[in-house]
Amino acid sequence: GDSVTQMEGPVTLSEEAFLTINCTYTATGYPSLFWYVQYPGEGLQLLLKATKADDKGSNKGFEATYRKETTSFHLEKGSVQVSDSAVYFCALTRETSGSRLTFGEGTQLTVNP
Amino acid sequence: DGGITQSPKYLFRKEGQNVTLSCEQNLNHDAMYWYRQDPGQGLRLIYYSQIVNDFQKGDIAEGYSVSREKKESFPLTVTSAQKNPTAFYLCASSRGEYNSPLHFGNGTRLTVT
Repeated sequence: GDSVTQMEGPVTLSEEAFLTINCTYTATGYPSLFWYVQYPGEGLQLLLKATKADDKGSNKGFEATYRKETTSFHLEKGSVQVSDSAVYFCALTRETSGSRLTFGEGTQLTVNP
Repeated sequence: DGGITQSPKYLFRKEGQNVTLSCEQNLNHDAMYWYRQDPGQGLRLIYYSQIVNDFQKGDIAEGYSVSREKKESFPLTVTSAQKNPTAFYLCASSRGEYNSPLHFGNGTRLTVT
């Protein structure tokens, strides 16, 4: 079945540091890929998405590129802020799944001033 | 503003009791979902509904039940048959089409002792 694997956390960075959170997936066909973010005490919010190979999703300074050859969708940000502290989830869906998502385990990010 | 409302935010129950978690949306979305979140395990799908009066089991439906009598509402009952009910429960909705983003509520934290 489909699966999503994220790098183990927690990740702790200083403000203005470069962020990478790794995400790889296993799925048949050509899934769409997503990053969701969960701030403390809240539900998840869509951060960005990519629907086909080589697409780059971007939002709020975050980027991720859909790499079919390496089945990856790594999340990056050039300069993190304290307000980026949250849990980040990688997820996928396939056309036969409608809008059902398969999520990774989540990666806790803490940014210190 | 449109959104998803989950209530209550915190819920405490004694073992052996059934408990119902509320989820209401005013986004006019066709599809609704229940996820369970446990530390280190990401989100796992319990039940989902793509249209009123219809719902399907997700990956971990045992010990749970749902109903979808109205488009706006998708309550989840955690029964006494659920062996490890203590968790954070998230409700979501979407238009239901492929790639349509999920909108999440702020969750209900259930503690069973």
